[in-house]
Amino acid sequence: EAGVAQSPRYKIIEKRQSVAFWCNPISGHATLYWYQQILGQGPKLLIQFQNNGVVDDSQLPKDRFSAERLKGVDSTLKIQPAKLEDSAVYLCASSQAPRGLRNQPQHFGDGTRLSIL
Amino acid sequence: DQQVKQNSPSLSVQEGRISILNCDYTNSMFDYFLWYKKYPAEGPTFLISISSIKDKNEDGRFTVFLNKSAKHLSLHIVPSQPGDSAVYFCAASVTRGAQKLVFGQGTRLTINP
Repeated sequence: EAGVAQSPRYKIIEKRQSVAFWCNPISGHATLYWYQQILGQGPKLLIQFQNNGVVDDSQLPKDRFSAERLKGVDSTLKIQPAKLEDSAVYLCASSQAPRGLRNQPQHFGDGTRLSIL
Repeated sequence: DQQVKQNSPSLSVQEGRISILNCDYTNSMFDYFLWYKKYPAEGPTFLISISSIKDKNEDGRFTVFLNKSAKHLSLHIVPSQPGDSAVYFCAASVTRGAQKLVFGQGTRLTINP
């Protein structure tokens, strides 16, 4: 089974520029997540999709971050304009839909390391 | 508001001995807990999970213990191997609703030969 694919692996931009990340989840996984992981911290959820609908975007800085999941498969996360504090690893994860009361573990991609100069 | 805390940033254990990683949480609504392992330049890998209806779950060398009254969980690795050297993250969620995961800060485990 292929894992979660993310691109690019690394990105360096200057502040105020824009950047986009792409994610392809595990086939058949209905739920897709974008996380931000700042150095020395655990991942923090930015947005969660169930198929192509947003379930939770309460921690997404909507003035500069946007995300979409067209057709309920691939997803893109965009930052425009970038700030210095956006330097982080952006992780995409996917999971199967919950089965009754049983939660399903999330499976992560290797992330995109973003550096803002 | 740090709802999931891993108070030890690092842990060093000798090969063959037991590694014990700890995690505390504050939100009593959490009912599903997971441990992830992360190598440098890779995404976190799911290791083991436990539901709040259990107090122990075992998978090979890995065992997770949950103490709901103390809001504490721990991961035991026996015996520890050099390949276990990684950063370990504890995470928690509420089963109903969005199943949003809240992560701790991570503990860097180093297994010494």
